[in-house]
Amino acid sequence: QSVLTQPPSASGTPGQRVTISCSGSSSNIGSNTVNWYQHLPGTAPKLLIYSNNQPPSGVPDRFSGSKSDTSASLAISGLQSEDEADYYCAVWDDSLNGVVFGGGTKLTVL
Amino acid sequence: EVQLLESGGGLVQPGGSLRVSCEASGFTFSTYAMSWVRQAPGKGLEWVSGISRSGGSTHYADSVKGRFTISRDNSKNTLYLQVNILTAEDTAIYYCARRLAGGSYGALDIWGQGTMVTVSS
Repeated sequence: QSVLTQPPSASGTPGQRVTISCSGSSSNIGSNTVNWYQHLPGTAPKLLIYSNNQPPSGVPDRFSGSKSDTSASLAISGLQSEDEADYYCAVWDDSLNGVVFGGGTKLTVL
Repeated sequence: EVQLLESGGGLVQPGGSLRVSCEASGFTFSTYAMSWVRQAPGKGLEWVSGISRSGGSTHYADSVKGRFTISRDNSKNTLYLQVNILTAEDTAIYYCARRLAGGSYGALDIWGQGTMVTVSS
């Protein structure tokens, strides 16, 4: 069981906006910045958002992140079929003295 | 091209050891902190270990502390993970990843394709 809680699944239709939540505590999200990854099976994970809401170069602006207190969210607007993947939040945990990943959310595009 | 290439995975018996490597190219390896992340079959991503640019500071997940050792050789542009006292729970794809410059520990911007470690008798 992960220190960071994500819904195991999410879904939406093409063009829709979906959000994925990540709930933590004061020792992780509450005191450090959140990062988000997209992972397609058989490929290397891809950094989508860092420092809560910053997209790396090349990431479409359909992807956005936010953080409030001990929770964070990833929003995907204008959903596309190629967005079907697993999504993970990740953050440093001051108590564990290490990085923790959320359990992952499998996004299905209907 | 910026690239990370892992090697050294394979089949090992329970209680055995292995060293996996990650060769970096296309960037100045010595100026980036690095991490290892793994994914067990059917499971999510799990951060395993991280190391500073010089190698002087290391961190480990509780699940591997005392059994795994991360190290680097900046002259060879290579990251290592020595894995000892392996159990079936260590069976996973092991990815090396580069920490984003100026980013937090959890911001990993370049990843290798991974190397598979299978622990089985």
